[in-house]
Amino acid sequence: AQKVTQAQTEISVVEKEDVTLDCVYETRDTTYYLFWYKQPPSGELVFLIRRNSFDEQNEISGRYSWNFQKSTSSFNFTITASQVVDSAVYFCALSERTGANNLFFGTGTRLTVIP
Amino acid sequence: DGGITQSPKYLFRKEGQNVTLSCEQNLNHDAMYWYRQDPGQGLRLIYYSQIVNDFQKGDIAEGYSVSREKKESFPLTVTSAQKNPTAFYLCASSSGRAAFGELFFGEGSRLTVL
Repeated sequence: AQKVTQAQTEISVVEKEDVTLDCVYETRDTTYYLFWYKQPPSGELVFLIRRNSFDEQNEISGRYSWNFQKSTSSFNFTITASQVVDSAVYFCALSERTGANNLFFGTGTRLTVIP
Repeated sequence: DGGITQSPKYLFRKEGQNVTLSCEQNLNHDAMYWYRQDPGQGLRLIYYSQIVNDFQKGDIAEGYSVSREKKESFPLTVTSAQKNPTAFYLCASSSGRAAFGELFFGEGSRLTVL
């Protein structure tokens, strides 16, 4: 069965610190897709990244970077030089090719960036 | 602006009443979804629709019903059969299947049962 674990419930950092949000997944499918979404206080989830299981290249987008390691079933998210606007709940999610209409979400990590 | 509009933002209901949450999108997306979010939990799929006049149950469909009569609209009814309806409900849409792209979300509807 598929499962996404975000062990960090809440993290607080001081502005400009780097922070890594952990995501560990379980799946039996060889083809699957991993996602990160951000949920700001306004409520809507905002898409950050999608990765398929065959692409283990790390990705960098501005201050954001993602580290995908199939060997440890992890898809971690790092924010460099955090800013107050990064304060939000971050969700990691998994979709399998056999159930491509559904995303299985982790429980989320609430990040608070203190000015 | 293109996006997803959910209404109402806040809703209070007495036990035993049905309520309907509205979701409208102007992104011309074929697929629409309803998720439920409880405190400290991830999102769970209630129903999804890949095309007009067709919809499928998700992981927690019991006590809920939907319709998809128009491409842009996917209302969710929370029936009195739903045992614990107090939650935050999120509607989303996508151009294809959820795994293959990005989901666009509305700002949610918070339902409280009194």
